[in-house]
Amino acid sequence: AQTVTQSQPEMSVQEAETVTLSCTYDTSESNYYLFWYKQPPSRQMILVIRQEAYKQQNATENRFSVNFQKAAKSFSLKISDSQLGDTAMYFCAFMKHVKRMKTSYDKVIFGPGTSLSVIP
Amino acid sequence: SAVISQKPSRDICQRGTSLTIQCQVDSQVTMMFWYRQQPGQSLTLIATANQGSEATYESGFVIDKFPISRPNLTFSTLTVSNMSPEDSSIYLCSVLDRREEAFFGQGTRLTVV
Repeated sequence: AQTVTQSQPEMSVQEAETVTLSCTYDTSESNYYLFWYKQPPSRQMILVIRQEAYKQQNATENRFSVNFQKAAKSFSLKISDSQLGDTAMYFCAFMKHVKRMKTSYDKVIFGPGTSLSVIP
Repeated sequence: SAVISQKPSRDICQRGTSLTIQCQVDSQVTMMFWYRQQPGQSLTLIATANQGSEATYESGFVIDKFPISRPNLTFSTLTVSNMSPEDSSIYLCSVLDRREEAFFGQGTRLTVV
């Protein structure tokens, strides 16, 4: 079974500092996608960053970057220069392709989430 | 990217009644997904809706409780039937774009009393 684990239920960071959120996953597949999603109090899910498993280069989006270790099945998110607006729940997610009898589709599996608070 | 409009944004319902949640996408998509997010929890996939065919339900979710319609490539509804307080959750619809990125509606916060 595919699972996604986030070992840090809550974290806090001082404004302008750097924080790293951990994520590990379990899969037997060789090709897949990994994501980090942000959910602020407004509850809107926002894509932060994505990584394709076949790419060795770590993805970067402005202040957000990942450390993707495929062999270790680890996918951590680093937030640099933390801002108050970064306060949110962060979900690590894994996408797999599912084949059923009559259909096939891509399924996203979410980790339990890490609540990040940025402190002024 | 896709823009998703979901309504209602919130509702308070009596137990035993049903609520239908609507999801409208600004572009045509093959698959639409419905998730449940219980208080303080992560997202759990309820079912996948493909236009013109019956929805595919995940383990623990059944069609009688969560009937889904998908009449065209831009619209879907999820009904929460015969509600109980345990159904109080946030329900979210989602689509995948061509880059395999998931986009979400604003969510429907359901409270069953």
